[in-house]
Amino acid sequence: ETGVTQSPTHLIKTRGQQVTLRCSSQSGHNTVSWYQQALGQGPQFIFQYYREEENGRGNFPPRFSGLQFPNYSSELNVNALELDDSALYLCASSLVLPGGSYGYTFGSGTRLTVV
Amino acid sequence: GQQLNQSPQSMFIQEGEDVSMNCTSSSIFNTWLWYKQDPGEGPVLLIALYKAGELTSNGRLTAQFGITRKDSFLNISASIPSDVGIYFCAGQVLQGAQKLVFGQGTRLTINP
Repeated sequence: ETGVTQSPTHLIKTRGQQVTLRCSSQSGHNTVSWYQQALGQGPQFIFQYYREEENGRGNFPPRFSGLQFPNYSSELNVNALELDDSALYLCASSLVLPGGSYGYTFGSGTRLTVV
Repeated sequence: GQQLNQSPQSMFIQEGEDVSMNCTSSSIFNTWLWYKQDPGEGPVLLIALYKAGELTSNGRLTAQFGITRKDSFLNISASIPSDVGIYFCAGQVLQGAQKLVFGQGTRLTINP
């Protein structure tokens, strides 16, 4: 059973550029969620994808967007990067069933630095 | 919005001591999760709690889901050097996106 894998591990971008982060979910999981973790803070929910559609969104602007693919992998896209977007971006996969959500597992994250 | 208050923010203890940390909220959660995060890594799940009043152990770790559904605690017994890290509580509501709401974290430092 493979865990959640994210790529790249580190990235440096210039303000105003666009970035795409990738995530492969854990085998058997059907849902992918993305979180932003600023230095010294707990992770903040960005959005979740279930059945290839956005299934809830946190307090993030529309320039944060995502995709989920048929194999349950996912992308996070951020347009018009700002300095405050510098953070650790975490992907988490889980198995959502009628009774609840199980096995919420995080990847190691992508460290994005915007200069 | 939903917020979790996690305390203490940091702890400095001697190896072998017991540790206790807790999270409280003004909102009700259906699930409480406790994670540990090492530098440069993602959070790793330690214990998941699914029922109010549930008390669950994982080795030297013990966690409880409060009866009111608004709080949880984590205890670590006989701390060892590898317990060093940041511990996060997270609450989950089983509606909509079933997102996790995280506390601010407790940084644990152990003096050998």
